[in-house]
Amino acid sequence: KQEVTQIPAALSVPEGENLVLNCSFTDSAIYNLQWFRQDPGKGLTSLLLIQSSQREQTSGRLNASLDKSSGRSTLYIAASQPGDSATYLCAANTGNQFYFGTGTSLTVIP
Amino acid sequence: KAGVTQTPRYLIKTRGQQVTLSCSPISGHRSVSWYQQTPGQGLQFLFEYFSETQRNKGNFPGRFSGRQFSNSRSEMNVSTLELGDSALYLCASSLVVGTDTQYFGPGTRLTVL
Repeated sequence: KQEVTQIPAALSVPEGENLVLNCSFTDSAIYNLQWFRQDPGKGLTSLLLIQSSQREQTSGRLNASLDKSSGRSTLYIAASQPGDSATYLCAANTGNQFYFGTGTSLTVIP
Repeated sequence: KAGVTQTPRYLIKTRGQQVTLSCSPISGHRSVSWYQQTPGQGLQFLFEYFSETQRNKGNFPGRFSGRQFSNSRSEMNVSTLELGDSALYLCASSLVVGTDTQYFGPGTRLTVL
């Protein structure tokens, strides 16, 4: 069974700092990996999806990388802003279902 | 294009009752997945429907069931509610099954008293 782990569980950084969120998965047989953000009490917003054949994807200040062989993905956020404060979740897609990590709660301090 | 909608947004029930939640996917999307989110267990997969057929099912008891209609709208039903069923229930839709980006609705917050 696929298991997805996210470290750290919580992160607090000053505004303007660059930061990296980590996601690891146990089974490298995935179709893709997707990063989401979730605001308190809300649904998930898709940030980036990396197909298994890709190494990275970029959208604005966000960059996600994927290393299937080592079972790792990272989400890089450049020049963090208070509006980036949220929980960030990664999900590994095996083709049958998405397996979610428990998330990293990010607080960006003005 | 309208996003994924879920109704109702909030629900309070008592133990033993049953509940039905509804999800309308993004127009043109044929795959609908349901998830349960709790503080202790995180996001757990319930089931996925594609073209009115259940394609995959997570590890939940038979009290949890679902269906999909010909217009791709989906409902999930929970019978004989237990306190532990209190959770945020999220629905996600995607264009095709399996490998596509999932788009989530705002969720239904179910509280069981």
